[in-house]
Amino acid sequence: EADIYQTPRYLVIGTGKKITLECSQTMGHDKMYWYQQDPGMELHLIHYSYGVNSTEKGDLSSESTVSRIRTEHFPLTLESARPSHTSQYLCASSEWGVYTDTQYFGPGTRLTVL
Amino acid sequence: ELKVEQNPLFLSMQEGKNYTIYCNYSTTSDRLYWYRQDPGKSLESLFVLLSNGAVKQEGRLMASLDTKARLSTLHITAAVHDLSATYFCAVDMYSGGGADGLTFGKGTHLIIQP
Repeated sequence: EADIYQTPRYLVIGTGKKITLECSQTMGHDKMYWYQQDPGMELHLIHYSYGVNSTEKGDLSSESTVSRIRTEHFPLTLESARPSHTSQYLCASSEWGVYTDTQYFGPGTRLTVL
Repeated sequence: ELKVEQNPLFLSMQEGKNYTIYCNYSTTSDRLYWYRQDPGKSLESLFVLLSNGAVKQEGRLMASLDTKARLSTLHITAAVHDLSATYFCAVDMYSGGGADGLTFGKGTHLIIQP
């Protein structure tokens, strides 16, 4: 079982602020992901990474950006938060395997932009 | 574009009853995942189904995969209250030719009443 951590768990901020959501995993997984989930709804992939210096956009367009300077760390940044960014953000990681690609999820960050 | 459809989306059932949740997906994939999410929590991996005809069981839950029909089922046997949660199926987008990461269904909100 992977250990994957997200901070903060809850964040309430005003419009226009810059924020960074942190995600770290201790299992040495190459692949990491960010998903966005509105309450009671499905998850949508917004960013993913195959490894250090690799970042890709997911299927759901997002104004956020990500970086992958270290294997264990995959932070997500919003330069200017807006109320439309209010959502839950879930980070996940997985091994690079042919036969299994189970993604292990962090506890999530619940973001509210006023 | 890969689409994943679950039904039912809402299910209220009594303890002791059996029921099945269905997951259909639109493109070829032989990797399907089931996750559980409790209210306000992150996702917990339940099953990974990697080939046609795969069947996995854990306690009162059993999942199966028919890749030819593009259908997976999650069967609940003799339901108990602790199984109340939202259940998501997800398909690996890599097999579908799109971006990496998982495409999720909308989830089945399951309530089990005494």
